Amino acid sequence: SQKIEQNSEALNIQEGKTATLTCNYTNYSPAYLQWYRQDPGRGPVFLLLIRENEKEKRKERLKVTFDTTLKQSLFHITASQPADSATYLCAGPDGSGNTGKLIFGQGTTLQVKP
Amino acid sequence: KAGVTQTPRYLIKTRGQQVTLSCSPISGHRSVSWYQQTPGQGLQFLFEYFSETQRNKGNFPGRFSGRQFSNSRSEMNVSTLELGDSALYLCASSLDGAFYEQYFGPGTRLTVT
Repeated sequence: SQKIEQNSEALNIQEGKTATLTCNYTNYSPAYLQWYRQDPGRGPVFLLLIRENEKEKRKERLKVTFDTTLKQSLFHITASQPADSATYLCAGPDGSGNTGKLIFGQGTTLQVKP
Repeated sequence: KAGVTQTPRYLIKTRGQQVTLSCSPISGHRSVSWYQQTPGQGLQFLFEYFSETQRNKGNFPGRFSGRQFSNSRSEMNVSTLELGDSALYLCASSLDGAFYEQYFGPGTRLTVT
């Protein structure tokens, strides 16, 4: 079955450094991937969408890449700040053609230390 | 614009009872999806409604059901609650399905004792 996998181990980095989070997909080729941020006790917040024919997308300090050869998306936060500490979720379509269904990775928790 | 609202925010029920959760989407959004989030399983898709019709369904038992009204507001119902149903239930609205940005509500924290 189609899967989206993220490193479940927390990522700890120092303020000012670049955080890089990984999202791998297996058993299918998603037409797009989305990235969300979730703070404790709150719903996820949409950050970026990248299509399979887009190599890279940027939004302020955020950058997402899509590598169809490696079956992987990387999410970068440059000049990270403690306020960037949160869980980041990768999501993609379920692969069966259903237009309304997203499957999510487990999320990676980022901790930015001052 | 006003965000997605969910009521109630917290709920405690006992096994065997049933529960109804409500979601009001962003104005103009016709797609409403429901997700269950637990520490062990992460975010799992329950179902999606579009224009009052269930368009997609996840792999949950029939105890989980939902509906959507003409104003796009949606409800989900869980009957015969089990301890394993304890979770954060999230509702997300979008213009038309998964390709579009999903706007999530704050969720309903359901605890089954």
